[in-house]
Amino acid sequence: SQTIHQWPATLVQPVGSPLSLECTVEGTSNPNLYWYRQAAGRGLQLLFYSVGIGQISSEVPQNLSASRPQDRQFILSSKKLLLSDSGFYLCAWSVLGSGFNLPLHFGNGTRLTVT
Amino acid sequence: AQRVTQPEKLLSVFKGAPVELKCNYSYSGSPELFWYVQYSRQRLQLLLRHISRESIKGFTADLNKGETSFHLKKPFAQEEDSAMYYCALFAGNNRKLIWGLGTSLAVNP
Repeated sequence: SQTIHQWPATLVQPVGSPLSLECTVEGTSNPNLYWYRQAAGRGLQLLFYSVGIGQISSEVPQNLSASRPQDRQFILSSKKLLLSDSGFYLCAWSVLGSGFNLPLHFGNGTRLTVT
Repeated sequence: AQRVTQPEKLLSVFKGAPVELKCNYSYSGSPELFWYVQYSRQRLQLLLRHISRESIKGFTADLNKGETSFHLKKPFAQEEDSAMYYCALFAGNNRKLIWGLGTSLAVNP
């Protein structure tokens, strides 16, 4: 069966420090991969998605970047964190080319607090 | 513009009462709609998708194209239904899910 792992679960980082959040998927090949941010009162915001290794689409201009070095690995990064980067970050996957049959499968999320 | 609206931030009902979580969408194409749920300390997960026309945990949702709605309903709410519910629209032309802001359902004993 497919599983998705996201870590760390919580993270407290000072302003200006770098960030690296990792997500891996097991039990499937060539998944679509996503990074979302869930903010109170703002719902779910898609940050990045990837349909293959090295292919990253950015949805909103921001202080963050994403990379997909391997088929089932998706990394969210920042060189210098801002206070506004605080939030709950969710990784998700769906079947490649699933189109109208997709559901998204979410990880447990990372609570990031920038101090 | 593609948009999903969940007008209620918080919905509070008593156990055994009927519950309806509202979702309205704006999309010019043929919509594909989902309900996701997030229970306390659990991951966000799919509850329903309209193409399945199924009932999950007693919940149903019918797509009403005339009213552009996809309301989630359950005739008798249970305490374990307390959770955050998100309605989402799949905009097929750019392969993205458009999310509502969510409704927090509290079922009181």
